[in-house]
Amino acid sequence: GAVVSQHPSWVICKSGTSVKIECRSLDFQATTMFWYRQFPKQSLMLMATSNEGSKATYEQGVEKDKFLINHASLTLSTLTVTSAHPEDSSFYICSAFLAGDGEQYFGPGTRLTVT
Amino acid sequence: SQQGEEDPQALSIQEGENATMNCSYKTSINNLQWYRQNSGRGLVHLILIRSNEREKHSGRLRVTLDTSKKSSSLLITASRAADTASYFCADAGGTSYGKLTFGQGTILTVHP
Repeated sequence: GAVVSQHPSWVICKSGTSVKIECRSLDFQATTMFWYRQFPKQSLMLMATSNEGSKATYEQGVEKDKFLINHASLTLSTLTVTSAHPEDSSFYICSAFLAGDGEQYFGPGTRLTVT
Repeated sequence: SQQGEEDPQALSIQEGENATMNCSYKTSINNLQWYRQNSGRGLVHLILIRSNEREKHSGRLRVTLDTSKKSSSLLITASRAADTASYFCADAGGTSYGKLTFGQGTILTVHP
């Protein structure tokens, strides 16, 4: 149990376009999901906390107008990278918090390449 | 901000040897977790140790926690080539809603 999926697993987009990444909890409901970004050979950096039915909470230095987060249901959060630039190329990982066991379950990640 | 710092940043060993990775954190915690990440892949949860625990075992993994020193260690015994991966510690601080701060990670290479 406690599986989290992400779609797509990888995406290439042109500079200036927007791309949406989905994060789904497949067998549990999650009122809280998290979005992380990971650059090559670095650790995961928390970008934002996605709360079902309310606005996301962004970490310091993360532009909320550039990284739009929507958590419209208890099993789905989306991250939209708007007006993507090559420096946005990264590995984006989501996770879902299962309150029942207090653990966080991670998706497999999405590799974004902006050309 | 990154709280956890891990050392070593990279560790290279032979199959069969033990690997020890250390992690430090800055604030009080409810628990500390260790994750593994194979290159370019998602995270695999290895083990969670609560603040009132000092040691925990899971198969070939042994985790210790010293809250007085705000540090934890992960020991992998009898390592295998398949253990080659990056290992991260993560803590949720004093929160109960899962917001994790990750350490910088240790890249472990196990040579066959």
